[in-house]
Amino acid sequence: AQSVTQPDIHITVSEGASLELRCNYSYGATPYLFWYVQSPGQGLQLLLKYFSGDTLVQGIKGFEAEFKRSQSSFNLRKPSVHWSDAAEYFCAVGNQFYFGTGTSLTVIP
Amino acid sequence: DTGVSQDPRHKITKRGQNVTFRCDPISEHNRLYWYRQTLGQGPEFLTYFQNEAQLEKSRLLSDRFSAERPKGSFSTLEIQRTEQGDSAMYLCASSWDRGIVGELFFGEGSRLTVL
Repeated sequence: AQSVTQPDIHITVSEGASLELRCNYSYGATPYLFWYVQSPGQGLQLLLKYFSGDTLVQGIKGFEAEFKRSQSSFNLRKPSVHWSDAAEYFCAVGNQFYFGTGTSLTVIP
Repeated sequence: DTGVSQDPRHKITKRGQNVTFRCDPISEHNRLYWYRQTLGQGPEFLTYFQNEAQLEKSRLLSDRFSAERPKGSFSTLEIQRTEQGDSAMYLCASSWDRGIVGELFFGEGSRLTVL
């Protein structure tokens, strides 16, 4: 069965600090992996995706994620967080886009 | 093209009533998905279509839920005999599948409140 686990329900970081959001997946084959962001009152927006090839993928807004097959992980990173990054972040897997429960990010000025 | 549109944006109904939501995907997109999202949770997969064919339906979806995409364009999601537990945001998304999964574009959702 396909599933996604986002272990951190809520994360708080200071503006300018680095960020890593965790995502672990369960999938029978090489997965399609995605990160989406949802700002308050806004729709879901794609940050980045992994299908194959280079395991480090770059996305919009300065985000990147690394696919690690041995750890079944696809963690999202950003070297320096901006206040506007405060939002809900969702990892998703597979053709049907199964989503995790999300990580809520708070940015402290 | 203005993106994925959903109608109505808000629906308040009494328990036991039927409701129907409509989704108009981006015109050239061949895949259409329905999700349900409750507060503090991620989108929960309900079903998806490739053109007019419904390819998968979540086992979590009761028989009260039905979705159609009759001509491979717009889709409807009907909930019969609504229950208070059906209160949620119902999200529609579409993508262009060219043999590999394309980016999902989401609508703004239809919020259902069951009294």
